[in-house]
Amino acid sequence: ETGVTQSPTHLIKTRGQQVTLRCSSQSGHNTVSWYQQALGQGPQFIFQYYREEENGRGNFPPRFSGLQFPNYSSELNVNALELDDSALYLCASSSWQGNSYEQYFGPGTRLTVT
Amino acid sequence: GEDVEQSLFLSVREGDSSVINCTYTDSSSTYLYWYKQEPGAGLQLLTYIFSNMDMKQDQRLTVLLNKKDKHLSLRIADTQTGDSAIYFCAENQNRDDKIIFGKGTRLHILP
Repeated sequence: ETGVTQSPTHLIKTRGQQVTLRCSSQSGHNTVSWYQQALGQGPQFIFQYYREEENGRGNFPPRFSGLQFPNYSSELNVNALELDDSALYLCASSSWQGNSYEQYFGPGTRLTVT
Repeated sequence: GEDVEQSLFLSVREGDSSVINCTYTDSSSTYLYWYKQEPGAGLQLLTYIFSNMDMKQDQRLTVLLNKKDKHLSLRIADTQTGDSAIYFCAENQNRDDKIIFGKGTRLHILP
């Protein structure tokens, strides 16, 4: 079992509202990434944070934003929620050590927008 | 653009080998990954291979890469009921987490 946790587990919001999802990273990892997984699809990369700075972003609009804290935990914020934002949001913490890569995912937050 | 394709379903008898195939379009792909996702569980990175390798073996898992054809496969030897899951093929150009995933292959184990 990994040390990556996410909260909340499930969330129901109304279109137009704002949401904040939280993630703790694996001890020793300084990179956190967020992915959106729609039903029946593979995860899609939203963005990545390294040492508190965003350093990579996928094809998501600016209403998707995030933060990484000094303890490497992270938040994903989504403003002006749309119905299509309904998905499983996965957080991953990762690290490269030489040519060895570790990546651990949290269990996800299931967001439903009505 | 970047794209990763894999078949949606595979059924295999318990004890047989499972082979899950994947093709990708980006010739710049440097890192290729296989992930496992079980119902109610998180996504798990199973293994990965660098584009300068042809094969990687890890216990019951064997990854084969044909870079010329942009074809990646995952072989699971002696398939068990616990291998029942969705398997995602994925690729990346860089050492970051901007990983492009396929839609996943659902592996069903027959008794």
